[in-house]
Amino acid sequence: DADVTQTPRNRITKTGKRIMLECSQTKGHDRMYWYRQDPGLGLRLIYYSFDVKDINKGEISDGYSVSRQAQAKFSLSLESAIPNQTALYFCATSYPFSSGENTGELFFGEGSRLTVL
Amino acid sequence: SQQGEEDPQALSIQEGENATMNCSYKTSINNLQWYRQNSGRGLVHLILIRSNEREKHSGRLRVTLDTSKKSSSLLITASRAADTASYFCATKDTSYGKLTFGQGTILTVHP
Repeated sequence: DADVTQTPRNRITKTGKRIMLECSQTKGHDRMYWYRQDPGLGLRLIYYSFDVKDINKGEISDGYSVSRQAQAKFSLSLESAIPNQTALYFCATSYPFSSGENTGELFFGEGSRLTVL
Repeated sequence: SQQGEEDPQALSIQEGENATMNCSYKTSINNLQWYRQNSGRGLVHLILIRSNEREKHSGRLRVTLDTSKKSSSLLITASRAADTASYFCATKDTSYGKLTFGQGTILTVHP
């Protein structure tokens, strides 16, 4: 079983629809992230959460919101989807910064491919 | 904005040859990491080099870091067709502890 699970894996929707992408993890990590990948642009950080009560905007948060329902769950919402939000979305986790294990290494899910028509 | 700039954007080689990818960055870092992504899949961590290290090896991977030039290179020796993937560098900054990714290098290894 995957340590970081994303649902749905693929979604096609229409402009203006509300979409939620979900992420759950069994790694026991406190830190969770949402990235967006577009061809030729690498990965860009949308939101990140260092614990359940700590949520922060990344470099491209406009048009997105998140919810950290529990340590293991971090959801990304598009309130009103638009075509330029068509992309591959990744959830990732990492050890807490204060942990001796922490190197900032990220553990990724398999991605959610979203197409907005 | 992207922290890392990778070069080349695409690299095509024959099996058995070495592949070298370069990454440049702009700000002070805590460490630099390389990730691999098979087509349409999640990224997988390959190797990490800390800011006080200059070279690191892991199997067929060799990473170098030059903090004075703010650059790193990833060398894959004796490449295999299975090495075909996209490779990304990512920098962990000293301020916030987040990772910032480059645009990636697409490596194609022909059998």
